[in-house]
Amino acid sequence: DGGITQSPKYLFRKEGQNVTLSCEQNLNHDAMYWYRQDPGQGLRLIYYSQIVNDFQKGDIAEGYSVSREKKESFPLTVTSAQKNPTAFYLCASMNTGSEGTSNTGELFFGEGSRLTVL
Amino acid sequence: DAKTTQPTSMDCAEGRAANLPCNHSTISGNEYVYWYRQIHSQGPQYIIHGLKNNETNEMASLIITEDRKSSTLILPHATLRDTAVYYCIVRVGNTGKLIFGQGTTLQVKP
Repeated sequence: DGGITQSPKYLFRKEGQNVTLSCEQNLNHDAMYWYRQDPGQGLRLIYYSQIVNDFQKGDIAEGYSVSREKKESFPLTVTSAQKNPTAFYLCASMNTGSEGTSNTGELFFGEGSRLTVL
Repeated sequence: DAKTTQPTSMDCAEGRAANLPCNHSTISGNEYVYWYRQIHSQGPQYIIHGLKNNETNEMASLIITEDRKSSTLILPHATLRDTAVYYCIVRVGNTGKLIFGQGTTLQVKP
């Protein structure tokens, strides 16, 4: 079945370590997104990519890095520069084809990765 | 980019209609309004979206005011499983950037 997969679901890391969260989609979507969610808060955009080999910073990109070498994959690295990395991370994708075709503008979300820094 | 404002929380009796308001007074002509909901610790689920006209699907109805500065999501017969956080968000054309607000926590009560 088509969908978007995040891994790992739970991750623990020590302070000062970088960690990479995986996001893979087989929906043939051009656009992919990373959001962060803190307890009781809404989603905040970290990075997004509308096409392979291109990505833009969202509202809270500091301390994070991404790559988009393949259409299917958009990994997020949480670096040691991120001061408060403990959070729930959500990846999403969207078909950004022209309106009137199959583009509803609907975001498809993964199930999330919960990162805890010890 | 447009921002959205929603009430922090709302209650609704089971079986009654739930009307969730959203203010997006700075919305531009090419910005779509989307509604998602999130059940605890899961990825958000798409509900409905619209640009100018009112929309209805199997889950809900979306009423957009004529000036497009606000909208209302209507769940016609709320059930206990509709208890969730509901997000009203805007999308700028095909830029792909979506701006989430704080959401409304809807509590459906028996």
